[in-house]
Amino acid sequence: KQEVTQIPAALSVPEGENLVLNCSFTDSAIYNLQWFRQDPGKGLTSLLLIQSSQREQTSGRLNASLDKSSGRSTLYIAASQPGDSATYLCAEDKAAGNKLTFGGGTRVLVKP
Amino acid sequence: NAGVTQTPKFQVLKTGQSMTLQCAQDMNHNSMYWYRQDPGMGLRLIYYSASEGTTDKGEVPNGYNVSRLNKREFSLRLESAAPSQTSVYFCASSRWDSVGYTFGSGTRLTVV
Repeated sequence: KQEVTQIPAALSVPEGENLVLNCSFTDSAIYNLQWFRQDPGKGLTSLLLIQSSQREQTSGRLNASLDKSSGRSTLYIAASQPGDSATYLCAEDKAAGNKLTFGGGTRVLVKP
Repeated sequence: NAGVTQTPKFQVLKTGQSMTLQCAQDMNHNSMYWYRQDPGMGLRLIYYSASEGTTDKGEVPNGYNVSRLNKREFSLRLESAAPSQTSVYFCASSRWDSVGYTFGSGTRLTVV
């Protein structure tokens, strides 16, 4: 059974510090890896999608890397802001059908 | 605004009652999904529809049925609600290759 793990479950940093969020998956035969953001009481918003043939994707202050051989993806958020406070979830898409398997998420608090 | 619309946003049911959660997307996506989110369990796939006219079971389908009414609409039905179905339900849609994965704002369901 494929599993996706995110450690730590919660993280608190002062404003301006860079954030590093980790995601581990057990099956290297992935189709793609996605990162989502979820604000309290809201749905999920897609941040970045990394195809299996790619090693990283960037969008503004966000950069996500993918290392299939080690079964890891990392989301970097540069110069964190209080508005970055949210839960960040990674999800693995193993095969056709686009059925995502989610990690448990990392709840981030950026203190002003 | 383009996106995924879910109704209702909140619902309280008595054990044994039935209800249908509605979902519609206007992004011309082929694939649609129903997930449930529970504390400590993360997001889990209930059912999905890779294209109009097809549906398939996800990780936790017991107690649910779905209907892909047309390309835009994908409904989730609880025939006889149980307290274990208390959860937040999310509908999502995506392109065939997982690009543009978009979630609705969720339905908070309580079964008493």
